[in-house]
Order: sequence, then C-alpha cells, then structure tokens
Amino acid sequence: QSALTQPASVSGSPEQSITISCTGTGSDVGGYNYVSWFQQHPGKAPKLMIYDVDNRPSGVSDRFSGSKSGNTASLTISGLQAEDEADYYCSSYSSDNALDVVFGGGTKLTVL
Amino acid sequence: QLHLEESGPGLVKPSETLSLTCTVSGGFITSSSYYWGWIRQPPGKGLEWIGSAYYTGRTYYNPSLKSRVTISLDTPKNQIFLTLTSVIAADTAVYYCARRPYWYFDFWGRGIQVTVSS
Repeated sequence: QSALTQPASVSGSPEQSITISCTGTGSDVGGYNYVSWFQQHPGKAPKLMIYDVDNRPSGVSDRFSGSKSGNTASLTISGLQAEDEADYYCSSYSSDNALDVVFGGGTKLTVL
Repeated sequence: QLHLEESGPGLVKPSETLSLTCTVSGGFITSSSYYWGWIRQPPGKGLEWIGSAYYTGRTYYNPSLKSRVTISLDTPKNQIFLTLTSVIAADTAVYYCARRPYWYFDFWGRGIQVTVSS
C-alpha cells in the first residue's frame, strides 16, 4: 500500500483538461510544499513534470500545472494530447518514521 | 548534460546479495547541492523509494528495507552503489538511480531490470 493515494485511472478527450489528485497527511503533502509529479511512459524512466507543488522544470509544457490544498495535491493537464497518455506518480517529502520520500501508487491517464 | 547509468547482474538467486552500480557523467556526485537516490519499481506496480545518500556519506533508507540495504559512494569514480542482502522474489523490479536536488528527483537513469529467481 502506497503512502500517498492516487486514483487508479483517469481519462479525457483531446483538448480537454483533467486533474489527478494525490492525498497524503499532515506529515507529508499537507505539512510541506515538497510535492512533485512524474510522467512515465511504458518501458521508460519517470520524468519530472512538477516540483515543489507548482514549479515546472525547464522544457516541460505549460499545459502541466500543480497545486495543493490541505493534504491533497493535484496535477492538472490542460489541452490533452495523445502523447500525454502515460502513468503519473506524485511524490512528497515525509517526516514520518525517517521516511525521506514517499510516492503515490500511480494513475493511468488514458486519452480517449 | 547529466547522465546516469545503472549496471549490474540482471539475475540474482534468492537469499543472495544484489549489487548495483550507478555511474554518473556530466556532473559530480561531490556537489553539495545534491543527494543521490535509488528507487525501484516491481513489474506492473508503482515506485518505491529505497534510499538516498549525500557525498559526505550520510544516508537515509526506507524503513521497510533498512535492515537489508546499503548505499555507498565512490567519489573519485563518480559512482553510487546499492547493496540489498537476502533477496526474495518480491525484490524483482526495475531499479533506478536518480539525482535529488532537495525533495524531488530531477534526473533519472534508464533503469535496470533485476530478477530474483533460482
């Protein structure tokens, strides 16, 4: 069981917007602004898309945005494109039990 | 451009020790700005943080693996090592090394598949 809770799957049509949630506790998501999001295509390594809740690394499309409210962080993808179809994982710093970093279980995004 | 590459045996027998190497090029693991971490992904499952190390030798481990894991560095060779003892089938996974500026991993290796089987 993953420390952070994500929906198993979400879907959307091209050009639509979708949001993926990531729920933790006050010891991780809610307590710190250290949430990151990764995109992973089949057989590939994860790619950093968002860090520190709402920051985009250089080269990542501005269609990807992050936010946080309480113990839940969110990744929003606007103007869905076929190449966005992938697995998405959230991650957060955790102060629980010396657990440095915790991950969510992942969300499969299907572009219809 | 930073590049990380994992290497090691793809097959390990149950109860034996898994040893992997991450070779870093295009940057130095002695940089005070970064930690270096190992993450794994069992087949069809999500990501699991294994541990992180700083160039000073300071290490942090996932409590669920702490009794079996060691992460170490060879700074002259710019390499990071992962050792996992007494492996079982559940340790079968793709193992990634990655750079960690603060509390996120920004550069990842392509990963190495490790299977535990007799």
